[in-house]
Amino acid sequence: IVLTQSPGTLSLSPGERATLSCRASRSISSTYLAWYQQKPGQPPRLLIYDASNRATGIPDRFSGSGSGTDFTLTISRLEPEDFAVYYCQQYSTSRYTFGQGTKLEIK
Amino acid sequence: EVQLVESGGDLVQPGGSLRLSCAAFGSSVSNYWMGWVRQAPGKGLEWLADIKPNGRDRLFADSVKGRSTISRDNARNSVSLQMNSLRVEDTGIYYCAREVGTSGTDLWYFDVWGRGTLVTVSS
Repeated sequence: IVLTQSPGTLSLSPGERATLSCRASRSISSTYLAWYQQKPGQPPRLLIYDASNRATGIPDRFSGSGSGTDFTLTISRLEPEDFAVYYCQQYSTSRYTFGQGTKLEIK
Repeated sequence: EVQLVESGGDLVQPGGSLRLSCAAFGSSVSNYWMGWVRQAPGKGLEWLADIKPNGRDRLFADSVKGRSTISRDNARNSVSLQMNSLRVEDTGIYYCAREVGTSGTDLWYFDVWGRGTLVTVSS
């Protein structure tokens, strides 16, 4: 399953709302989709699993939604520490795949 | 809280081999699938391989299948990735990650990651 993330780069200001998209080449069963955040020099950090469940310790400004082939990560009100690269990952098949990433940068 | 620490990354010539190790501290990973994910310089994430808790069931991405083996030592709380016939395109940071998800599905996402170990394949 190929995951395509858009936009490639998103330029926003702190306090604004961010909407990141992840589209799958075929339907993902049972909403088996996760989102990760990665900052420079750090490993990825799990944010969302099963499309809409926040991982432990993740602030509630992060939310995930979607099903089938279209998924969205929303950050309701951007904090300075939210500017990073975000990846989606499908685990609908045992050959896991990631999207190419969306870079969220400060405008 | 489990911590994962990778080691074994190095500069190696094309065609060479490397064994990467991942040690878990703070909690046992013996009941979890464990995986390896690679990130080429400036690029995205690529899942490479994973191994079931029993150590007998393994899966590989096509990019490394036939050139790699994955193993685990539950007594030592560790996982290893042996990579052979290395290519320039194998260059990158290799992360070890714990896999979790819905029991019974054998379909997982990654909830704990190590900091990675750098593999450079170059002549």
